[in-house]
Amino acid sequence: QKEVEQNSGPLSVPEGAIASLNCTYSDRGSQSFFWYRQYSGKSPELIMFIYSNGDKEDGRFTAQLNKASQYVSLLIRDSQPSDSATYLCAVRTPGGYQKVTFGIGTKLQVIP
Amino acid sequence: DADVTQTPRNRITKTGKRIMLECSQTKGHDRMYWYRQDPGLGLRLIYYSFDVKDINKGEISDGYSVSRQAQAKFSLSLESAIPNQTALYFCATSDRERDDREQFFGPGTRLTVL
Repeated sequence: QKEVEQNSGPLSVPEGAIASLNCTYSDRGSQSFFWYRQYSGKSPELIMFIYSNGDKEDGRFTAQLNKASQYVSLLIRDSQPSDSATYLCAVRTPGGYQKVTFGIGTKLQVIP
Repeated sequence: DADVTQTPRNRITKTGKRIMLECSQTKGHDRMYWYRQDPGLGLRLIYYSFDVKDINKGEISDGYSVSRQAQAKFSLSLESAIPNQTALYFCATSDRERDDREQFFGPGTRLTVL
């Protein structure tokens, strides 16, 4: 079982719709969860982080965390063509080095 | 703007050659990382360094070595390049004072080993 699992996609949504991106993780001790956006040919950039169970909203983005189900998601409301990118889920686990493990990323396509 | 830079941006080399990828940062961060990214495999950690005298192997360090020449500089070497080291390589930094909340990535180096 991979430590961080994502569906590679592509996930296609029409412009204006809600895009829902999902991620599961295997280590129950994981404490911090991140969503990075990566445009084609570019480097990843952080868009959201969440530490506690529940929802965290930032503009059109909402991160949702359910530690009991080992599940974290990212919702993008009013999706725009400029949101088309690959979204990487990253999970940090405790220890001497707080290891950050990345998923393979989900490719999102927003259709105008 | 404080930044993370990588050189070269693209490199084509032959099997058996030694090459070095360089990373510099002006963010003043103490922690630096080297990742490789492959289709279907995501980002995988090669080495990380928490300060100049603290260097550690990541999950895929075989065939690679690193040097932390200064707080701002972290180099990755491939001693004898092989074709399966063809990948996109990213350097990243984070700030311990901010709980490593975010990793800041350089623009990447696309390496092709023939």
